[in-house]
Amino acid sequence: SQQGEEDPQALSIQEGENATMNCSYKTSINNLQWYRQNSGRGLVHLILIRSNEREKHSGRLRVTLDTSKKSSSLLITASRAADTASYFCATPNQGGKLIFGQGTELSVKP
Amino acid sequence: DTAVSQTPKYLVTQMGNDKSIKCEQNLGHDTMYWYKQDSKKFLKIMFSYNNKELIINETVPNRFSPKSPDKAHLNLHINSLELGDSAVYFCASSPLADYEQYFGPGTRLTVT
Repeated sequence: SQQGEEDPQALSIQEGENATMNCSYKTSINNLQWYRQNSGRGLVHLILIRSNEREKHSGRLRVTLDTSKKSSSLLITASRAADTASYFCATPNQGGKLIFGQGTELSVKP
Repeated sequence: DTAVSQTPKYLVTQMGNDKSIKCEQNLGHDTMYWYKQDSKKFLKIMFSYNNKELIINETVPNRFSPKSPDKAHLNLHINSLELGDSAVYFCASSPLADYEQYFGPGTRLTVT
């Protein structure tokens, strides 16, 4: 069964605004990962947050993890048109299998 | 300098045919994967190999057979292609099973 589920499924914002995407998962995890997929391309790893971490930053990206609520959020600040993509959260299960959510489609309008 | 490469990028074929997709990584990773992404962008793992040994074999038809000649290559062979096999197939690699994965550009398979 699917582990991660993103919310919202689609998000449309103006350039310069912040974008927040949420991910919920079902079982205990060692880490949670966020990936970006541009149209027609492969997935690109953005950030990995471990289960003992609460927040992590990478450039304009900020990821939070709340293991008590089994949820994570990805914040993209000062969005750009180039941030238009699908964003996926993923969690590895005990067998090392990475389970992906359905993704959030982000559209940033210039 | 491509880290994970796949060939071909597009594959159009008829039902019943047999086809292969090749994947190579030059990152020195021990673990490689095959994923299938459907039209709704749902990404599902199919197989995983660690140092040429099969470690994850999801419930996929046995028409799909992975082959890893060495730890830098993981190929996917599909027999008797069906319409439902149409999807984008991604190869990926990672240094260890729980770590971040590096994806290839994908192979869009269309079965007519």
